[in-house]
Amino acid sequence: DGGITQSPKYLFRKEGQNVTLSCEQNLNHDAMYWYRQDPGQGLRLIYYSQIVNDFQKGDIAEGYSVSREKKESFPLTVTSAQKNPTAFYLCATGTDDPYTQYFGPGTRLTVL
Amino acid sequence: KNEVEQSPQNLTAQEGEFITINCSYSVGISALHWLQQHPGGGIVSLFMLSSGKKKHGRLIATINIQEKHSSLHITASHPRDSAVYICAVRGLGAQKLVFGQGTRLTINP
Repeated sequence: DGGITQSPKYLFRKEGQNVTLSCEQNLNHDAMYWYRQDPGQGLRLIYYSQIVNDFQKGDIAEGYSVSREKKESFPLTVTSAQKNPTAFYLCATGTDDPYTQYFGPGTRLTVL
Repeated sequence: KNEVEQSPQNLTAQEGEFITINCSYSVGISALHWLQQHPGGGIVSLFMLSSGKKKHGRLIATINIQEKHSSLHITASHPRDSAVYICAVRGLGAQKLVFGQGTRLTINP
């Protein structure tokens, strides 16, 4: 069953705790992306990676960290430095020719 | 001002109506994408356009590069079309997409 897996679908954490969101893909895509979605706003890019062991900051990287040790995996850590972490987080993979992005099902993070 | 603006933000219509969602952008682009997000949150890609018009079933997407404008049309709308429709653009030479805020479409039976 090919695709992008994000788990869990719903995640609750206490304020001040770091939390790691998983994203796994078996599409063999080089590029992977993390987005944040808030009500009434467009998707905003947190981090992206075009190749293993390399990643770049997106538009709202502060308070987040990522790693890309394997092609299949691009975990996102929401640190305690992120002021307003409650949001819907989407992981995506991408192809270059044609340029297309494929989205995972998302994780809804609630920080209490 | 956002680089990508969609209108309307919310749209409610009756089953069978012809639907138009608009997207305007302010930068030069290599492609424009229309995406659909269902209430569960999953996003699927509907179209990628760099010129002209594309059609898939009851969905039609058009783009006017000179006017920096794209439209998504739905003919014979159905309640299952209810979703958030998102426009996204890839800037010239960019390795990422910039997204509009989305249009929430509700089709009533």
